[in-house]
Amino acid sequence: GENVEQHPSTLSVQEGDSAVIKCTYSDSASNYFPWYKQELGKRPQLIIDIRSNVGEKKDQRIAVTLNKTAKHFSLHITETQPEDSAVYFCAASITQGGGTSYGKLTFGQGTILTVHP
Amino acid sequence: GAVVSQHPSWVICKSGTSVKIECRSLDFQATTMFWYRQFPKQSLMLMATSNEGSKATYEQGVEKDKFLINHASLTLSTLTVTSAHPEDSSFYICSARDIFPGGNQPQHFGDGTRLSIL
Repeated sequence: GENVEQHPSTLSVQEGDSAVIKCTYSDSASNYFPWYKQELGKRPQLIIDIRSNVGEKKDQRIAVTLNKTAKHFSLHITETQPEDSAVYFCAASITQGGGTSYGKLTFGQGTILTVHP
Repeated sequence: GAVVSQHPSWVICKSGTSVKIECRSLDFQATTMFWYRQFPKQSLMLMATSNEGSKATYEQGVEKDKFLINHASLTLSTLTVTSAHPEDSSFYICSARDIFPGGNQPQHFGDGTRLSIL
């Protein structure tokens, strides 16, 4: 099955700095890669996602890049703010072709991001 | 936006009790819902995939007789933790994916249920 590795496990930055979180995946059939933000005791919230036919996607201060050949993708947050502090999870999924793995998300281990004012 | 409602949000009960958790998609239909378990400071681990009108698909190592899943309609899936014991204490989260349009829709998560077994 799919295996997703996420690094770093903790990340501490100063307000205004950029933060980068990296993930690698093992299954070349994975074609959908969402990123979730989870605050303590709350639901994971989708912040951005990317599909395998795209190399980069940006939404205001957040961007995601995907390298299919190397099987890794990264989350970039620019101009970080204290409210960006949370746990961030990457995930990988197969959304084509049916089969038992269809639609299942495999999550990375999570990154605790702390933005200091 | 797509809203998933999960109930209850917090349960405390005695060992041996069975606990039912509901997951509802409020403004969309979901043929597939997913149940996750999350331990403190850890990632989400998929327990099972809930399929409307058919049996759930369980991940390796998850006891299907322990965690009963029913997906009787396009908007409701339930997870029942049978004869719960302290080691079943955890944060349980469901997610659902809109069936329209096509299959490439993101998963939306419920608020989770914190289960504490005494």
